[in-house]
Amino acid sequence: GEDVEQSLFLSVREGDSSVINCTYTDSSSTYLYWYKQEPGAGLQLLTYIFSNMDMKQDQRLTVLLNKKDKHLSLRIADTQTGDSAIYFCAESIRGSQGNLIFGKGTKLSVKP
Amino acid sequence: EAGVAQSPRYKIIEKRQSVAFWCNPISGHATLYWYQQILGQGPKLLIQFQNNGVVDDSQLPKDRFSAERLKGVDSTLKIQPAKLEDSAVYLCASRTVGNTIYFGEGSWLTVV
Repeated sequence: GEDVEQSLFLSVREGDSSVINCTYTDSSSTYLYWYKQEPGAGLQLLTYIFSNMDMKQDQRLTVLLNKKDKHLSLRIADTQTGDSAIYFCAESIRGSQGNLIFGKGTKLSVKP
Repeated sequence: EAGVAQSPRYKIIEKRQSVAFWCNPISGHATLYWYQQILGQGPKLLIQFQNNGVVDDSQLPKDRFSAERLKGVDSTLKIQPAKLEDSAVYLCASRTVGNTIYFGEGSWLTVV
């Protein structure tokens, strides 16, 4: 069955890079997503990557996908206090018509 | 472009009472989802609509949950009767052709 795993907590200092990791089990994943959730808010789409890509960069965000190991990571360069939030990894399975399987989220704490 | 609108934002009810949540997706988005997010977990799909038809409701507890999207635009999710374990955030999301799924701010339900 489908399963998405993430570490629950990450703490970094302001200005450092953050790397949030995710593993998934379904090899038929088509797209993999990163969402950000701030306290009391909904989910904000940060970026997504197609399963035949290795890397995608968007400003401070870099997504790396290792399809062989079913490992996805999100790197945030120059992490700011405003990046403190919960980050969710999600996969879209081929044939699922777009519904997403989410991990439990990684809480990123940025210390000044 | 307006985002996914949800109401009410917050609701507190007693167990065995009923509650309804409303969602207005992004204009032109044919696919609409309702997800349930229990505290400390990632969102889980309850139901998916394509226009006004149900695509996937396999994880909807149909003895107490119902949802409709009568005209293929707005949607309502109802819980009757509510249980304590229904306390969660109910997230509505929508998608047009393509792979970007946008979420609303969520409706926060507390059952006491």
